[in-house]
Order: sequence, then C-alpha cells, then structure tokens
Amino acid sequence: AQKITQTQPGMFVQEKEAVTLDCTYDTSDPSYGLFWYKQPSSGEMIFLIYQGSYDQQNATEGRYSLNFQKARKSANLVISASQLGDSAMYFCAMSQTGNQFYFGTGTSLTVIP
Amino acid sequence: GAVVSQHPSRVICKSGTSVKIECRSLDFQATTMFWYRQFPKQSLMLMATSNEGSKATYEQGVEKDKFLINHASLTLSTLTVTSAHPEDSSFYICSARGLAELTYEQYFGPGTRLTVT
Repeated sequence: AQKITQTQPGMFVQEKEAVTLDCTYDTSDPSYGLFWYKQPSSGEMIFLIYQGSYDQQNATEGRYSLNFQKARKSANLVISASQLGDSAMYFCAMSQTGNQFYFGTGTSLTVIP
Repeated sequence: GAVVSQHPSRVICKSGTSVKIECRSLDFQATTMFWYRQFPKQSLMLMATSNEGSKATYEQGVEKDKFLINHASLTLSTLTVTSAHPEDSSFYICSARGLAELTYEQYFGPGTRLTVT
C-alpha cells in the first residue's frame, strides 16, 4: 500500500504568489516524522521542513510552512512568496520506527515570472 | 547541519565493468546508511539499508550480488555496482542517520550520476 501520496504531478505558480503542494500519508504507527525535500535539476535533496507526529503546532521554516492535519493524515507544504528559484521537484516523505523513509512520487513545481 | 558527501559525483563506465561509489558522513557518526536509486522523473527507491559492521538489508527486487554494499566504519559506506549494464544507469543517492537522532531525519548526499555505455 502506498505510504505517501502526492496527487499533483505538476504545479504552476506565479512569482510572488503562494502555492500549496499536497501530501497524504498512511500509517498506523503513532510515532512518525514527516518531511519535505526540494530536488533541483542538480539532483541534491534539500531538506525544507519537518513535522513530528506529536508536534502540536504546524512547522514553519522561513517561506515554508507545513499544514499538518493529523486526523486527515495530510501534510501539505505551503510556499509563500514564490521565487523563480523555487522551481524544482518536491518530495514528501515519512519516517517511522525502523528508520525507513517512504517517499511520495513528487510534484514538479514551475514558478512563472 | 550534518554533511554527507558522495564520490564521484558523475561516472561513466563501460558495460561489464564495476563501479564503486563512496558515501561519507563528514561531521557525525552514521550508524545507519541508506542507498537509493532514482530514475529520471521518478521518486527515490530504497535499495538497501546498512548498519555499521553488519550486512546490508536489501529491498525486494534488488540483487545483492550485483549491488555490493559495505559499511565498514561509522563514517563510510560504499556501493559497488558489479558488471554494470546500461540499465544500471541511474542517479544513486546515499543518506545517513546519526547515533542519537531525535527527529527521524536522514542526511542526504549530493548523489552520483552513473552512466553505463
């Protein structure tokens, strides 16, 4: 069964606008971590933001925020004030006991000038 | 943040030869290292998990005799692609997890692009 689902293969956003990238997850483990990574064309995985399953507040890191809705098992990434350099692939991932990371299929974001 | 390096960043080899890729944790001790493969426009696929000093655990469908993984120290893991074929051409990424990681985070290397001709 798919652990992480990203339903948006491609997204477009106007520069300076906000964009939400969707991510839903599936686990019965009460303890887990949710991550978002950015992968530019160079290939490196750039860590953006983390949300622990027991965290009460939504995580924020600069222009990135994670809209964590535990009951819905969703962990959407919100990028505010999009910049041209934000164009990249974005992966949602989950880790739980046992160390393994589960990655979604990714969303390709294109920022339009 | 923790830094993981990979070497080489790019390699081109002839079909039938073997290629070794190194993954190093530069400023922390990595008890567990992971090797992923990524084909163009696809997600990362976990190949194997290695713990220092023990044999790697391979994911279903990954040939352990073809993809040899060694995790000899707390800072170094190697992936050797033996008898490489064009279908092994891919982007290989390692990640590492430290001794006392509270957030489940893994630190990713910059990746190695392998092309087999």
